[in-house]
Amino acid sequence: EDKVVQSPLSLVVHEGDTVTLNCSYEVTNFRSLLWYKQEKKAPTFLFMLTSSGIEKKSGRLSSILDKKELFSILNITATQTGDSAVYLCAVGVGGSEKLVFGKGTKLTVNP
Amino acid sequence: GAVVSQHPSWVICKSGTSVKIECRSLDFQATTMFWYRQFPKQSLMLMATSNEGSKATYEQGVEKDKFLINHASLTLSTLTVTSAHPEDSSFYICSARDGGLPTDTQYFGPGTRLTVL
Repeated sequence: EDKVVQSPLSLVVHEGDTVTLNCSYEVTNFRSLLWYKQEKKAPTFLFMLTSSGIEKKSGRLSSILDKKELFSILNITATQTGDSAVYLCAVGVGGSEKLVFGKGTKLTVNP
Repeated sequence: GAVVSQHPSWVICKSGTSVKIECRSLDFQATTMFWYRQFPKQSLMLMATSNEGSKATYEQGVEKDKFLINHASLTLSTLTVTSAHPEDSSFYICSARDGGLPTDTQYFGPGTRLTVL
């Protein structure tokens, strides 16, 4: 069974801290890994990763994929209260169009 | 770009009634749309994959006759919860893939909060 595991499940930090969120996966036929940010409503797309070792960056957020060790990390530097959200990791698997989601990491950034 | 709308954003209905939720891709053609359900503090649970012009593919444990999905055009999919009961109360979210791109990226609608009394 395809599985995506995120850690930690929740994290509380202070503004200005740097955080690293983890996502590991075990799937039959990996195609891609995606990160989403979910605040009160539906998830918004952050990154899609398909190749190992190539960092994707958007402002204070960055992410990288390791296909050998089957994991990805999402880094957020100089956190702000607006970064508070649930961060979801999802993996696209071959043979279907669906994504398999992890349970998410709830990040709380306190002022 | 890549905007997905969902309507209504919230609905309250009586037990036994049916509720229709619409999902539209506003600025791209979505050959494939997905319907998810999310319980409080839980992750997204895929209910079904909907391809334009063909029958939806339901995930194991999802009742086809209860959750009717129609993907009549490249920009519209609908989910009808038939004979709704309180246990159907949940947050329903649709997503869409851009049919013109070879990508797994799904763009999500804002969700519909369904409360069945």
